[in-house]
Amino acid sequence: KQEVTQIPAALSVPEGENLVLNCSFTDSAIYNLQWFRQDPGKGLTSLLLIQSSQREQTSGRLNASLDKSSGRSTLYIAASQPGDSATYLCAVRHPRRGASKIIFGSGTRLSIRP
Amino acid sequence: DTGVSQNPRHKITKRGQNVTFRCDPISEHNRLYWYRQTLGQGPEFLTYFQNEAQLEKSRLLSDRFSAERPKGSFSTLEIQRTEQGDSAMYLCASSLGSGDNQPQHFGDGTRLSIL
Repeated sequence: KQEVTQIPAALSVPEGENLVLNCSFTDSAIYNLQWFRQDPGKGLTSLLLIQSSQREQTSGRLNASLDKSSGRSTLYIAASQPGDSATYLCAVRHPRRGASKIIFGSGTRLSIRP
Repeated sequence: DTGVSQNPRHKITKRGQNVTFRCDPISEHNRLYWYRQTLGQGPEFLTYFQNEAQLEKSRLLSDRFSAERPKGSFSTLEIQRTEQGDSAMYLCASSLGSGDNQPQHFGDGTRLSIL
């Protein structure tokens, strides 16, 4: 059974710092991994999607890496801003006949202090 | 691209009542997914459609839950005889294509509160 873990559950850093969020998964046979952002009371916004054949994806100040063999992904946020405060969730798509769901971690709640 | 739209945004009802939620996916997205999210947790998969066909249902989807996508466009999720444990955020997502390599786009959800 695929399990996705995000540690820590919460993180607070001062504005301007670079930071790394972690995601680990137990079964390395994944199609892809997606990072999402969720603001309080809102749905999920897709940030980056990394295919299983890729090692990283970049979008602006965000960089996501994928190491399938070790079952890990990181989301790097450069020069953090108060507007980055949100919960960040990673999710993996696991190949199984008939399955198309994605399995989420519980998220890391990020707070950027001005 | 107007995004995934969900209605209502909030629903408060008494235990035992039936509720129905609606999801309008991004136009031309042929895949539609329903998830449930409780406080402090990531979303959990409930079911998904490819066009009008419901292709997978989670064990979380008890017989009180039913989802439809009659014309392959919008979808409804109905919960009958609601219980307090049904209180959660219900999220809808859609994606394009028949493969599993496309990102899912989420709506803002319907928050259900059972009194």
